[in-house]
Parts: sequence; structure tokens; C-alpha cells
Amino acid sequence: AQRVTQPEKLLSVFKGAPVELKCNYSYSGSPELFWYVQYSRQRLQLLLRHISRESIKGFTADLNKGETSFHLKKPFAQEEDSAMYYCALRGTGFQKLVFGTGTRLLVSP
Amino acid sequence: DVKVTQSSRYLVKRTGEKVFLECVQDMDHENMFWYRQDPGLGLRLIYFSYDVKMKEKGDIPEGYSVSREKKERFSLILESASTNQTSMYLCASSSHGPQNTGELFFGEGSRLTVL
Repeated sequence: AQRVTQPEKLLSVFKGAPVELKCNYSYSGSPELFWYVQYSRQRLQLLLRHISRESIKGFTADLNKGETSFHLKKPFAQEEDSAMYYCALRGTGFQKLVFGTGTRLLVSP
Repeated sequence: DVKVTQSSRYLVKRTGEKVFLECVQDMDHENMFWYRQDPGLGLRLIYFSYDVKMKEKGDIPEGYSVSREKKERFSLILESASTNQTSMYLCASSSHGPQNTGELFFGEGSRLTVL
């Protein structure tokens, strides 16, 4: 079975503080992991995927197979980062994504 | 620019009514998906389709059906709406085969309220 766990419903930080949104997964094979973001009044969109190993809007995420985690990090949060973040997993050979329950990030001035 | 369009942004229906949610994509994508989005529950897959006239059940198909008569259009049908189907419904599409990076392109959502 494929499962994604995001333990925090809400993460509230001040501008300039570091941010870490947690994501753990359960999958017996080699998964592909993604982070999606939904800003207020906008559609859900891809933020980054582990295969690309890229930094988007200052966010990075490293796949840790030993800990089965894919935490999203940013060293200095900005107010415009306030949004709903979803971690997602795609199993080998599958087309569909399994999403976590989401974490709302609130960055205060 | 990839576009997934959900024709109805807001709907209010009564219990027992038949409800159609329409989704159209303009990127010639083979894969299309219907998710529902609920606070605290995240996105849950209802149905998906790999090709015209093909469909597969997702994690919560009960009470729903789908139709894919054309490649660009994927419809979600609630045969007899119930109050527990009040939710935000998200349609998504993606490419198939080597072009499939795993990225889903989402519509803006259809917020359904069943009274």
C-alpha cells in the first residue's frame, strides 16, 4: 500500500525563520516524491519533485529512503510562502499520485 | 500554457439530485483524474482514466461514476447526491509514457454543497 503522512495540520512561523514541513511515506518499492502547493484562490500546482533535485522559491526537499521521509525546507520563510502544502507519492509503474493530508503554512510578519 | 477547466465553480444541489461535474483539458493528456479535497483529509482519489472509455476506481469511488467519451473531457457523476458528498472536487490531467514526469495539472475546483 502507498501512504503519505503529514503530521502537522498547521505550521505557523515568523518571517525570516526557518521552515520544515514534514512528510513521511510508506511504500515497498522505489517511490517518486513530490511537493504541491496551493496559494490562496489559486489552483494546486507542483512545487518540486525529488528526481529534479532542484530548489524552487528557496525550497528544497531531500528524499531519505532510510527514514522514508521527504521533508520540505526553506531557510528563511517569506510571507508569500503562506499556503497549503501537500506531499505526494507515485509508485513505480503507476500513473496516479497519492497525497497526504496537507500542512497549512502561515508566515507572519 | 496548460489549462484544465472545470465548468462549474460553485454548485448547490439537493439530496437525491443527479450531479454532473465537467472537466476539460487542452494539452492532449491521456490521464485524467478526479480528487475530492476535504480539510484534514487532504486529496483523495475518486476515479481516474488512462484513455478514452477507460476508467479505474480510486480510493473512494462509492457513490460516484465517471465518463470519458472524448480524450479532452472527463466527467464526474453523482447519481444521487448526499450531504456527505459536500466537498471541493478537483480535476487533474497528466501525460502518459516517457513524457510523464509525474506532474499533475489541476483545475480550479468545483465546490459542491448538497443540502
